[in-house]
Amino acid sequence: DGGITQSPKYLFRKEGQNVTLSCEQNLNHDAMYWYRQDPGQGLRLIYYSQIVNDFQKGDIAEGYSVSREKKESFPLTVTSAQKNPTAFYLCASSIRGRDYGYTFGSGTRLTVV
Amino acid sequence: GQQLNQSPQSMFIQEGEDVSMNCTSSSIFNTWLWYKQEPGEGPVLLIALYKAGELTSNGRLTAQFGITRKDSFLNISASIPSDVGIYFCAGQLRDNYQLIWGAGTKLIIKP
Repeated sequence: DGGITQSPKYLFRKEGQNVTLSCEQNLNHDAMYWYRQDPGQGLRLIYYSQIVNDFQKGDIAEGYSVSREKKESFPLTVTSAQKNPTAFYLCASSIRGRDYGYTFGSGTRLTVV
Repeated sequence: GQQLNQSPQSMFIQEGEDVSMNCTSSSIFNTWLWYKQEPGEGPVLLIALYKAGELTSNGRLTAQFGITRKDSFLNISASIPSDVGIYFCAGQLRDNYQLIWGAGTKLIIKP
């Protein structure tokens, strides 16, 4: 079955550490996205990528970094510069240039300890 | 960033009641989408709307694409306990196909 997989489901980070969240899709989608969701809040765009080796900042990119070396993969690194990283992180993908909406992964919950 | 105006923010209803929520914007959208998110999971697409005035159903859910292309609504008839969750609207822009999101409507069903 095609889908989008995020791992791990739960992640704990010590203050000052960088952590990387994985996102892999086998839908053959060109575009991939990272969102942050805080409790009781909507979705805020962190980064997005329309094609391999290219990505753009979203609304809240500070303290985060991404790479897009393969079409299937779009990992997100939460750096120590992100002062309030505890949140639920969602990865999504879509067919570039088509209005079919996004397919989401099941999310990673990151907690700073 | 740009955001849609989604209302209500939350709803407390009795099982069996009908539910209505809507999204409005000052922008014109090419596509309207409605998603449902259950706790600890990613949003799942419920209904996609592609044409102004379009009315589309998915079981007990019905959604409409506003005539002005600036709004949409979602109705749920005869709610059941598994309808609980957060419902998000999203508008898709023609120029870059990016999604603009509403803040969500949390649906809670009173026992």
